[in-house]
Amino acid sequence: DVKVTQSSRYLVKRTGEKVFLECVQDMDHENMFWYRQDPGLGLRLIYFSYDVKMKEKGDIPEGYSVSREKKERFSLILESASTNQTSMYLCASRSGHLNTEAFFGQGTRLTVV
Amino acid sequence: GNSVTQMEGPVTLSEEAFLTINCTYTATGYPSLFWYVQYPGEGLQLLLKATKADDKGSNKGFEATYRKETTSFHLEKGSVQVSDSAVYFCALSALSGFQKLVFGTGTRLLVSP
Repeated sequence: DVKVTQSSRYLVKRTGEKVFLECVQDMDHENMFWYRQDPGLGLRLIYFSYDVKMKEKGDIPEGYSVSREKKERFSLILESASTNQTSMYLCASRSGHLNTEAFFGQGTRLTVV
Repeated sequence: GNSVTQMEGPVTLSEEAFLTINCTYTATGYPSLFWYVQYPGEGLQLLLKATKADDKGSNKGFEATYRKETTSFHLEKGSVQVSDSAVYFCALSALSGFQKLVFGTGTRLLVSP
């Protein structure tokens, strides 16, 4: 069974903390993505990676960075968490072919207090 | 740029009613089109897809037809069940988009017994 696994389902962090969200996929996919999901806004792309050590900004990269040191792992980093980063974060992976679907993790609900 | 527009929800139906959720898109070239479903507390999972004009995707009684002339990919089901209550996302993937999936804002479906 193919799988994308996010390290935490729920996180509560304090303003100003550095936060790491981890994602691992077991499908040998080239592409990995981080989205955030907010009511009424749908899914918005934060960053994506198309290869190890390669990354591209998505639509809302401000306040975030990413790391992809190994093909199976893609980390999202909040350098200094703020309350407006309270959200659901979804990781996804996808092969390099146009017609294939993306596979999603179960999501991490992050609350910044 | 590439974009997806979905009808706003929530859509409230009684069990066994007919469902339509509208989705239109803007993209260069010939995108692939997807419907994803998100059940409460879970990540997104693929419901169906279509990769070229006039293709019909189907799964679990849901159908959607790729209409290039109207740039639409409406989701339909002939008889909904309470268990279909979820959020439905329309998405596209285009060659110009670097393997990214672009999502609509999602439509919540509520089915009552």
